[in-house]
Amino acid sequence: KAGVTQTPRYLIKTRGQQVTLSCSPISGHRSVSWYQQTPGQGLQFLFEYFSETQRNKGNFPGRFSGRQFSNSRSEMNVSTLELGDSALYLCASSLPRWDFDNEQFFGPGTRLTVL
Amino acid sequence: KNEVEQSPQNLTAQEGEFITINCSYSVGISALHWLQQHPGGGIVSLFMLSSGKKKHGRLIATINIQEKHSSLHITASHPRDSAVYICAVSEETSGSRLTFGEGTQLTVNP
Repeated sequence: KAGVTQTPRYLIKTRGQQVTLSCSPISGHRSVSWYQQTPGQGLQFLFEYFSETQRNKGNFPGRFSGRQFSNSRSEMNVSTLELGDSALYLCASSLPRWDFDNEQFFGPGTRLTVL
Repeated sequence: KNEVEQSPQNLTAQEGEFITINCSYSVGISALHWLQQHPGGGIVSLFMLSSGKKKHGRLIATINIQEKHSSLHITASHPRDSAVYICAVSEETSGSRLTFGEGTQLTVNP
């Protein structure tokens, strides 16, 4: 079974631009979560999508948004980029079940550099 | 104070040594996760546990729900174990949202 894939793997943008990152979950997984990792803040939860609906959201400004398509693929968008948005963006997919917690499978990440 | 605290932050060991990384948390959880991150960024889930103990090869994870504490042990450590080990929790009220510790950088020297 193919793992979680993320595209692109590396991205360089300038301040003020916007960016869209893509995540394809493991086949059959319907939940996709997004995380930001920076040297200063570590790993932080951005949001989670399940069945095309945002189910959970972290403490990030509205410039960070996402969506999920009917095939469970997910995209996240960051508008009006700031230098502090430079980070590794990771997505993780899981099989959501309601009776116990779910192991998350991480993609390789997209490294975004904002100049 | 962070909701998830790990210790130590850095750990250097000689090949073959027994290693322990600790994780304490202050919130109610539905599960605790141990993750491994190699240089380059990829994260691998090692364990997900909500009680007791799990073993996978040379890795052992334990959790004490009453004390809100978990440990990750590596027996007979090897240089290929060098990585960052991250403890994360799923809070009872947050579904699959993970809250992370700061990670432990492990270096195993030959």
